[in-house]
Amino acid sequence: EIVMTQSPVTLSVSPGERATLSCRASQSVSSNLAWYQQRPGQAPRLLIYGATARATGIPARFSGSGSGTEFTLTISSLQSEDFAVYHCQQYNNWRTFGQGTKVEIK
Amino acid sequence: EVQLMESGGGLVQPGGSLRLSCSASGFTFSSYWMSWVRQAPGKGLEYVASIKQDGSDKIYVDSVKGRFTFSRDNAKNSLYLQMNSLRAEDTAVYYCARDVRAAAGRHYFDYWGQGTLVTVSS
Repeated sequence: EIVMTQSPVTLSVSPGERATLSCRASQSVSSNLAWYQQRPGQAPRLLIYGATARATGIPARFSGSGSGTEFTLTISSLQSEDFAVYHCQQYNNWRTFGQGTKVEIK
Repeated sequence: EVQLMESGGGLVQPGGSLRLSCSASGFTFSSYWMSWVRQAPGKGLEYVASIKQDGSDKIYVDSVKGRFTFSRDNAKNSLYLQMNSLRAEDTAVYYCARDVRAAAGRHYFDYWGQGTLVTVSS
């Protein structure tokens, strides 16, 4: 099974600042990686697929990069609605998720 | 607007059974693979199972094989997850989700329901 490890577990950021979240795969997943946002009490929402492509309706401040085993989700200027938990998921071999990164207000 | 709505969660004793449902609307249900993903309290997401458009192919995570059965009724735009021999470790919020099939065997999820809580406890 491919293990996905996200870091940090919690990221404290001030509104308007940049947030950089990491996701590492235990073996190469090529570009078969998705990112999801989960606000408290809500369902996950697809942000990024194919490591870099934004899903429909996702603001341009969200961007994804990476391939192979190292991936990054960047939020260029945090808005109040962006404080949430972010999950990565590989779909190259089966479907496994990271444990999530919580982005909280500093 | 794509909408997915789960129901059927609740408290059940270890070894018991529960049947979850998911009602879909706003898209051509019969054209999509569909899945269940769960989230234990305070934990990350865990993939559970998927079903092909016509129900002819089903995939399960090893931990639920032989205990959970995934089915669908395309006439009713509905999914069902029959969960038997439930264990404490099955306690989670269960989400139904619509699959995007990037390639054979390579799926991610573009729409999710709000989830239904299953608690397995004596």
